[in-house]
Amino acid sequence: AQSVTQPDIHITVSEGASLELRCNYSYGATPYLFWYVQSPGQGLQLLLKYFSGDTLVQGIKGFEAEFKRSQSSFNLRKPSVHWSDAAEYFCAVGGKAAGNKLTFGGGTRVLVKP
Amino acid sequence: DTEVTQTPKHLVMGMTNKKSLKCEQHMGHRAMYWYKQKAKKPPELMFVYSYEKLSINESVPSRFSPECPNSSLLNLHLHALQPEDSALYLCASSQDVTGGPETQYFGPGTRLLVL
Repeated sequence: AQSVTQPDIHITVSEGASLELRCNYSYGATPYLFWYVQSPGQGLQLLLKYFSGDTLVQGIKGFEAEFKRSQSSFNLRKPSVHWSDAAEYFCAVGGKAAGNKLTFGGGTRVLVKP
Repeated sequence: DTEVTQTPKHLVMGMTNKKSLKCEQHMGHRAMYWYKQKAKKPPELMFVYSYEKLSINESVPSRFSPECPNSSLLNLHLHALQPEDSALYLCASSQDVTGGPETQYFGPGTRLLVL
């Protein structure tokens, strides 16, 4: 069975500081990996995705993520956080073996201090 | 354009009411999804439609009844709900569920409160 773990429930970061959100997955075949962001009361917006190829993927809003197969990780990073980045971030895994069903991690809430 | 729209944005209903949630996409996607999201939790898959046919039902109670009238529309009919069904209901769509990797695009959700 596939699963996703986001070890950090909350992260507080100062505006302008760097941010890294951790994601570890378990999947028996080639994983498709996603990061979504959700502002309060809103839907999920896709930040970036990894299907194959270059293991460092660039997304919207200045985010990037690196796929490390050996560590079963897909961590999300941003060099300089803006106040508008305060939100809930979800890592998700899917794949053909699972009929493209997404399994989400528990989420990480990011708070940005001025 | 990667827009999925959902109506209404908010819905309050009694336990004896019948209501419907609507989802629409005009991206030519052939797979559509309903998710339920409780506060401070990740979304949980409820139903998947592929080419207008129900392909996945995640053991959802029958008081939730999905419908896919055409490739652009997805409804969720609600009847005799319980207060614990109060949640954010999210719709998503993707190109297809077969073949290669798929990206799901989400709508803004309907916030449902059952009294």
